[in-house]
Amino acid sequence: NSKVIQTPRYLVKGQGQKAKMRCIPEKGHPVVFWYQQNKNNEFKFLINFQNQEVLQQIDMTEKRFSAECPSNSPCSLEIQSSEAGDSALYLCASSDGTSNERLFFGHGTKLSVL
Amino acid sequence: GQQVKQSSPSLTVQEGGILILNCDYENDMFDYFAWYKKYPDNSPTLLISVRSNVDKREDGRFTVFLNKSGKHFSLHITASQPEDTAVYLCAAGLQGTGSKLSFGKGAKLTVSP
Repeated sequence: NSKVIQTPRYLVKGQGQKAKMRCIPEKGHPVVFWYQQNKNNEFKFLINFQNQEVLQQIDMTEKRFSAECPSNSPCSLEIQSSEAGDSALYLCASSDGTSNERLFFGHGTKLSVL
Repeated sequence: GQQVKQSSPSLTVQEGGILILNCDYENDMFDYFAWYKKYPDNSPTLLISVRSNVDKREDGRFTVFLNKSGKHFSLHITASQPEDTAVYLCAAGLQGTGSKLSFGKGAKLTVSP
């Protein structure tokens, strides 16, 4: 069973609505990643954090998403104004921050934008 | 565009057979290569990985071969078992803390008894 906890499992929103999902990384893992897996099974990297700091993010994330990983609270990823093309599985993963690149994934949040 | 490409989206092999899954990548700076396994309704988990200082790594029935000049790596599974039935995702990236991995679309493997 995954130790990376993502909520909710399913999220349904109308176009233009905000869509927020959360992730609790595995205990002790300071690095968190968000990926989007679309209907074509393409994995798109969105953003990653080390502790509370953003390491990298793509242009789309910077413009349309709001993401944070506050200390002692779940990480979150929020789409400010959902579009139909945002319908996808959003996967959160964490790693232990050593030179080990191994990612531990959550089960994902499946977003449907109607 | 896709940084990492898997050529065969779906494969079937008989139990006991040998299977090869292939992956090509674009960025010749990549120095870390991995295969993840995903069962239905479960999250991907790391199966095996290799760094660019070697061209092969073996772990039981699973072996990764790396061809850096060809920007290609593969996963060989020997003595296939029904529990190997899953989706296999290849991934590549740069070594280092917090470095993002680029994933392929996955290949669905079915091992028939």
